[in-house]
Amino acid sequence: KAGVTQTPRYLIKTRGQQVTLSCSPISGHRSVSWYQQTPGQGLQFLFEYFSETQRNKGNFPGRFSGRQFSNSRSEMNVSTLELGDSALYLCASSSDSAGETQYFGPGTRLLVL
Amino acid sequence: LAKTTQPVSMDSYEGQEVNITCSHNNIATNDYITWYQQFPSQGPRFIIQGYKTKVTNEVASLFIPADRKSSTLSLPRVSLSDTAVYYCLVAPFSGGYNKLIFGAGTRLAVHP
Repeated sequence: KAGVTQTPRYLIKTRGQQVTLSCSPISGHRSVSWYQQTPGQGLQFLFEYFSETQRNKGNFPGRFSGRQFSNSRSEMNVSTLELGDSALYLCASSSDSAGETQYFGPGTRLLVL
Repeated sequence: LAKTTQPVSMDSYEGQEVNITCSHNNIATNDYITWYQQFPSQGPRFIIQGYKTKVTNEVASLFIPADRKSSTLSLPRVSLSDTAVYYCLVAPFSGGYNKLIFGAGTRLAVHP
């Protein structure tokens, strides 16, 4: 079974721009979560989507948004990029069954200049 | 979600067994214990998960005492490629509890 895929793998943007990252979950998984990882803050939860609805949300500003499509694929968008948004953005999927863990993708490395 | 406490760093040598202990005093009845491994600039990789007693797979063993307030990840005969950060998490992993709270993890360095 194919794992979680994320595109693009690397991205360079400038301050003020916006960016869209994509995540394809493991086949059959309906829950998709997004995380941001930085050296200073570690791995932090952004939000989770399940059946096209945002079900959980972390403590990030409204510039960070996401959506999920009917095929469970998900996108996250960051508007008005700031230097501090430079990070590894990770997507994880799960079947949402009891005891079924989340499986992570390889991440998208975003650099904001 | 339960908070976990684990060593900041550990050192070992190739061929040795490594045991990383995680404390989770406030674990809830429906929480599972999961360990992830992460290499630099890669996504965390699932290693092992358990609810109670002992779980073993092809890469590790997980020991959970009866009170479930701690757990120990055991890596047999580590190699240089096991140098990574290891995260211990507890969560129900169902019904909307897919909001994982990561701590700082344990940085394991394996030396030749």
